[in-house]
Amino acid sequence: DQQVKQNSPSLSVQEGRISILNCDYTNSMFDYFLWYKKYPAEGPTFLISISSIKDKNEDGRFTVFLNKSAKHLSLHIVPSQPGDSAVYFCAASAFGGYQKVTFGTGTKLQVIP
Amino acid sequence: DVKVTQSSRYLVKRTGEKVFLECVQDMDHENMFWYRQDPGLGLRLIYFSYDVKMKEKGDIPEGYSVSREKKERFSLILESASTNQTSMYLCASSLVLTGVPGGAFFGQGTRLTVV
Repeated sequence: DQQVKQNSPSLSVQEGRISILNCDYTNSMFDYFLWYKKYPAEGPTFLISISSIKDKNEDGRFTVFLNKSAKHLSLHIVPSQPGDSAVYFCAASAFGGYQKVTFGTGTKLQVIP
Repeated sequence: DVKVTQSSRYLVKRTGEKVFLECVQDMDHENMFWYRQDPGLGLRLIYFSYDVKMKEKGDIPEGYSVSREKKERFSLILESASTNQTSMYLCASSLVLTGVPGGAFFGQGTRLTVV
């Protein structure tokens, strides 16, 4: 049962254009969401997060949007750069209980120069 | 600069061997995690620990055990390695389990191959 889904395994974008990575979740208890970026042969690194009390969080070129009613979040990268080429994981967690972080399957982004 | 260090980048073991994967963090974090990453499945939580000698099962604990004798060190043990445990193993640590901007810090990963 995949509670966090990234339906696009890969995405190609021209340098300078916008990259939009999507993520859907099924568990209504999730209330904190994170995006991680992973280069080959390295561990994931934290990119940006958003709490369920917000619908948008921005950090430089990266913006995460949360639509709670649709159980959907997206990561926008503007403008995209070749160094952004990596696998992006969406993750979600719930306050209380074990507070485990559940990861999606990842989307491989390729930014073409 | 925060650091999570995994003892090996690559490891090849035989079926049936007992395998130890070591992870050390220097951030004085209470919480540590072991994940495995497989193509098409993302990162799946094996075990986590929220304090010394405390551990909780994650989503896929079967075939694994863990040890946390010191705050900075979290070991993953494959009791009897099998080929379906061939994977990338990732250790992570965090100050709190969730709710804190910044998420968890990951090690560089150990690519384990069981033959």
